[in-house]
Formats: sequence, C-alpha cells, structure tokens
Amino acid sequence: QIQLVQSGPELKKPGESVKISCKASGYTFTDYAMHWVKQAPGKGLKWMGWINTYTGKPTYADDFKGRFVFSLEASASTANLQISNLKNEDTATYFCARDPRLTTEGIFDYWGQGVMVTVSS
Amino acid sequence: DIQMTQSPASLSASLGETVTIECLASEDIYSNLAWYQQKPGKSPQLLIYDASSLQDGVPSRFSGSESGTQYSLEINSLQSEDAVTYFCQQHHDYPYTFGAGTKLELK
Repeated sequence: QIQLVQSGPELKKPGESVKISCKASGYTFTDYAMHWVKQAPGKGLKWMGWINTYTGKPTYADDFKGRFVFSLEASASTANLQISNLKNEDTATYFCARDPRLTTEGIFDYWGQGVMVTVSS
Repeated sequence: DIQMTQSPASLSASLGETVTIECLASEDIYSNLAWYQQKPGKSPQLLIYDASSLQDGVPSRFSGSESGTQYSLEINSLQSEDAVTYFCQQHHDYPYTFGAGTKLELK
C-alpha cells in the first residue's frame, strides 16, 4: 500500500537549520510530484510548494522562497525539506503530500504523518 | 492569490443529519476544488477533487457540488466519525490555497 513516512519531531533554536525527510513506498516515486504543506499550531493549511520527482525541479510559493529548500534522494524514494535560519514562526507541523500527477494537479492524494518542528530559545 | 472563504467556521449537527459546508473562491477556479477531512492529530485525507469527484475509498455519503464560484461539500446521514475538521482547497493556480476550515461537532 502507498505510504509516506516522515522523520521524527524536531526541537531547534532560532537561527539553526532543520532537515525533514519523507520516504515513499508502494508506488514508483519518480512518477508523482511531491508537495509540502505547513500547519501552524491550531491553524489552517498553507501550501509551500512542490518538487518534480523526476527532474528534481522545485517550485516554491512566494512565502517560502529563500530559507526553504526541497530536495530528493530518488534512489531512496525520499523527498526532503530543509529550513535554514529558523524563526519562531516556523514552529509548525510540516506535511509531505503526493500529487496524482508528476507535473502537478495540485491535488494531494496521500499525506505523510507530519513532522512537528518547534523553534524555541 | 486566490482567496478561499470557507463557511461556517464551526457547525453542530445530530447523527443522521445532512450538513453542508461551503467555500467561495475569489475568482473563477474552473471546478479545480478539493475537499479534505482532518482528524485531530492526523494528516488531512482527500475526500473530493475536481469539485465533485469522489476519491477512491471515500464513503458515498460525501458529495461535492458547485455553483459559479461557490463550492459545497455535503455530508449525508452524519456519522460520529464525521465530527472532525474539513478544509477546501483550490487546485487551479499557484499558490494553491486552502479555506480556513470548518469544525463539525455532534449535538
């Protein structure tokens, strides 16, 4: 069955960096795009962008340009999200979510369990 | 950015009732609308895409419809497990945007 398994919770200080992983199984990783979605505590969902898992080309929403990097380890069917220079407002749960198309439909048909990142001094 | 105005923010209903949640898009999104269900502490699950297409495995008591830029999610014969939070999302244009969510509670 299709699964997206994300890495564990992170506690970081402001200014540090964090790398979150999302390991896919049950399908051909490079046939489907992968998105990243942020959910701050008690808040709604915010789309961060997506990565073409075949070409490795990332697309970032405007609010996530600069400190956020999407990457792949395609041989390991894994997508990564790295956030640098962490700020308090980065405290949130970060989800990876699969798209039914490689070139994105913008539909999220399978989701990881989410990674809680806490930024606190 | 396309704004998705979701209503109501919260809703209370009884078992067996029919409930409707709505989302108004700030511009034409050409039926590119999805609905998700999120249980507490869990990731969202896709219910409906393209405004009215039911995702595989989703119970048929969930349905989606549209009228212009207004989109609706209807839940028939409300079950106890349906009392969670629902989000709409437009998948027409970047950045993909979500509604603020509707928390459905049982009376």
